[in-house]
Amino acid sequence: NAGVTQTPKFRVLKTGQSMTLLCAQDMNHEYMYWYRQDPGMGLRLIHYSVGEGTTAKGEVPDGYNVSRLKKQNFLLGLESAAPSQTSVYFCASSRRVAVTYEQYFGPGTRLTVT
Amino acid sequence: AQSVTQPDIHITVSEGASLELRCNYSYGATPYLFWYVQSPGQGLQLLLKYFSGDTLVQGIKGFEAEFKRSQSSFNLRKPSVHWSDAAEYFCAVGAEYKLSFGAGTTVTVRA
Repeated sequence: NAGVTQTPKFRVLKTGQSMTLLCAQDMNHEYMYWYRQDPGMGLRLIHYSVGEGTTAKGEVPDGYNVSRLKKQNFLLGLESAAPSQTSVYFCASSRRVAVTYEQYFGPGTRLTVT
Repeated sequence: AQSVTQPDIHITVSEGASLELRCNYSYGATPYLFWYVQSPGQGLQLLLKYFSGDTLVQGIKGFEAEFKRSQSSFNLRKPSVHWSDAAEYFCAVGAEYKLSFGAGTTVTVRA
């Protein structure tokens, strides 16, 4: 049981390049999320999914796209990377426990855009 | 919309001393509150959560937190810190399946 995994762990892009971050979970969770973490700002929600085939915008969605074609995978795409997208990206998945939703996080992807 | 404030950006504490991290939230309904810890270079790990009942909740690694509705607070405490507690700590408030995080408090432990 690997939990939440993210690929790759590190990436350096030039401005204007594109890339896709892959998140996979093996816990059969319905909900999945992409966050970015920047110093002094905590984690901010980029996009999320409430189930296979569904996606929705979070707090900071501009410049990103997502897809959830399979329940266990949630992809985050950057079509044209910008230096402002230099950040650490975390994926999470969640399930309902009693009346709350516990989120489980992946180890993160450190992205640098030059 | 919900929001979380962690007033302390950085706290330094001696090993063996007590630790308290502050968290204030804003949410119109009954809050679901969480504390996560992030060790350097790692993802976030859930320490504890509150959603109802006893306002003092126990978590992993010897941490506890107290929910005070009148003060809109959910402060995290540990009686005696260990060097391995050096990390960044995040408070979060949940609204259904989404979380809003505070900016985090970095804890440094000195020998």
